[in-house]
Amino acid sequence: GAVVSQHPSRVICKSGTSVKIECRSLDFQATTMFWYRQFPKQSLMLMATSNEGSKATYEQGVEKDKFLINHASLTLSTLTVTSAHPEDSSFYICSAPSSRANNEQYFGPGTRLTVT
Amino acid sequence: GNSVTQMEGPVTLSEEAFLTINCTYTATGYPSLFWYVQYPGEGLQLLLKATKADDKGSNKGFEATYRKETTSFHLEKGSVQVSDSAVYFCALIRGGTSYGKLTFGQGTILTVHP
Repeated sequence: GAVVSQHPSRVICKSGTSVKIECRSLDFQATTMFWYRQFPKQSLMLMATSNEGSKATYEQGVEKDKFLINHASLTLSTLTVTSAHPEDSSFYICSAPSSRANNEQYFGPGTRLTVT
Repeated sequence: GNSVTQMEGPVTLSEEAFLTINCTYTATGYPSLFWYVQYPGEGLQLLLKATKADDKGSNKGFEATYRKETTSFHLEKGSVQVSDSAVYFCALIRGGTSYGKLTFGQGTILTVHP
């Protein structure tokens, strides 16, 4: 079964509003989570690294004030798209490395954001 | 910097055909290499991995061998099924670890017809 969940799976919002996406690790703790963005028929692009108890680390070209990340607990990271615009419409995916011995990284099912 | 290049798709095959999806990479040091699969409507799942040169990752009939001399990690399957239809991503992590920041290829859409 899924070990990383995302909520919501789909969201449609109006231009100018903010949207919060949650990423939860279900049966393990994750001090680090990653947020990716996937454009249609394109690869995943890493946006930022979410760190529990400290500030997120953003990749070059990603607007920190646009994409707010909060890692409030060992099982939850949130991505808030502020003042969303149609160009922010995309598929957002989170991942978390397992603390188990295999250290495998698990991906959430993704959130489809559509800004109208 | 790190980069991953996959063969362009989409790839369309008949059931039981042989599959090859090419993947080459550029990285400093000794990266770990991965193939992830994304089935329709689902999140990415790890298909197989290799953490050092000449390692062969295998799972569900898929195989890929870490070739340092050609910087490649081609995915192969001898006989594909309709259920293999999905998007396949080649990826790497720098430094030989199994987790952390992944660099992905552009993905290859595979469609298998009965």
